[in-house]
Amino acid sequence: DAGVTQSPTHLIKTRGQQVTLRCSPISGHKSVSWYQQVLGQGPQFIFQYYEKEERGRGNFPDRFSARQFPNYSSELNVNALLLGDSALYLCASSSAPGPGLYEQYFGPGTRLTVT
Amino acid sequence: GNSVTQMEGPVTLSEEAFLTINCTYTATGYPSLFWYVQYPGEGLQLLLKATKADDKGSNKGFEATYRKETTSFHLEKGSVQVSDSAVYFCALESGTSYGKLTFGQGTILTVHP
Repeated sequence: DAGVTQSPTHLIKTRGQQVTLRCSPISGHKSVSWYQQVLGQGPQFIFQYYEKEERGRGNFPDRFSARQFPNYSSELNVNALLLGDSALYLCASSSAPGPGLYEQYFGPGTRLTVT
Repeated sequence: GNSVTQMEGPVTLSEEAFLTINCTYTATGYPSLFWYVQYPGEGLQLLLKATKADDKGSNKGFEATYRKETTSFHLEKGSVQVSDSAVYFCALESGTSYGKLTFGQGTILTVHP
């Protein structure tokens, strides 16, 4: 079975531009979460979507937005890019949200570099 | 708020040495606790978990016990191998924020033959 897939693998953007990252969850998984991992640090939670609704939001500015589609895939959008947005963006999927009940499976990530 | 603190790294060991990576946490609600591992060039993988106090999670020779009284979840392995070289992350999921993992900063482990 295919795991969580993310696209693109890498991309380079210029300050002020906008970017869209894509995530396809494991088949049958209805929950998708997004994380930002800056080099040398642990991942930080950005968003969680379940059944196409936002269920959680981390401490990120409004420049960050996301959505989940009827097939449970998801997009993360970042507007007005800053140098500090350079990071590895991780997508994780699970059957449903629930404390410790449903394992979150992580994708390989999208490496975003802002110049 | 929720937070996870891991011991400073990197950690360098010889093969067959004993490993301990310390992890302490603060959380609202009653959290579930996890250890994730990130091997070079690969994505994050769940290593083990514990969902209630005194539970012991174990996998691939690694163990961690959920200690509510000391708010800790230390990772241990009796005999490390070169293949254990990776970055290890302690994380929690609070009962008040389902689906949101809070991670520590990660500990780089390097095991030499």
